[in-house]
Amino acid sequence: AAGVIQSPRHLIKEKRETATLKCYPIPRHDTVYWYQQGPGQDPQFLISFYEKMQSDKGSIPDRFSAQQFSDYHSELNMSSLELGDSALYFCASSLAYEQYFGPGTRLTVT
Amino acid sequence: QQQVKQSPQSLIVQKGGISIINCAYENTAFDYFPWYQQFPGKGPALLIAIRPDVSEKKEGRFTISFNKSAKQFSLHIMDSQPGDSATYFCAASLDAGGTSYGKLTFGQGTILTVHP
Repeated sequence: AAGVIQSPRHLIKEKRETATLKCYPIPRHDTVYWYQQGPGQDPQFLISFYEKMQSDKGSIPDRFSAQQFSDYHSELNMSSLELGDSALYFCASSLAYEQYFGPGTRLTVT
Repeated sequence: QQQVKQSPQSLIVQKGGISIINCAYENTAFDYFPWYQQFPGKGPALLIAIRPDVSEKKEGRFTISFNKSAKQFSLHIMDSQPGDSATYFCAASLDAGGTSYGKLTFGQGTILTVHP
């Protein structure tokens, strides 16, 4: 069965640089969620999109923005990166209430 | 404020034993309660989930027990195996309206180790 695809899987950036994370949801899923997971932490909700419209927003810094495109893939844009942004970033997709997670992007900010 | 509280933080079980992880929630509007399994460096994988209209759901070796009045739910792993060693997260969400479901609020996680 098709799963959620995320790219890149690993990303190393320097402070103050910009990063773009991509997410391709499971086909026919209409909702995409982004989560951030720090070391030893539970995933924290950042933002979600339903049918290409932002549906909810969590503790996402103003430096971050995201959108969902016409083909339902989503991109998380992160600017002015800080050391504290180093984490695993997960995308999840759903058609109803079950959310399926991708393999994640490990972002390291040096 | 942690809206979903999970315990224990870590759990060691012998092969063949029963692993039990507990969660308690605050928001009575939550109406969907999934459990996720996560291996190091991997994405959380949906194990089993329950809605509040049932008190128990079983899928293979995994069972969720749900107590709506106590606002608690638990995961039981029967015949635990070394391959079950992972971090387990409980979570909760609610209907966001329309046909979209809302964000997941996670518990703090339980690191399960199953010894051979």
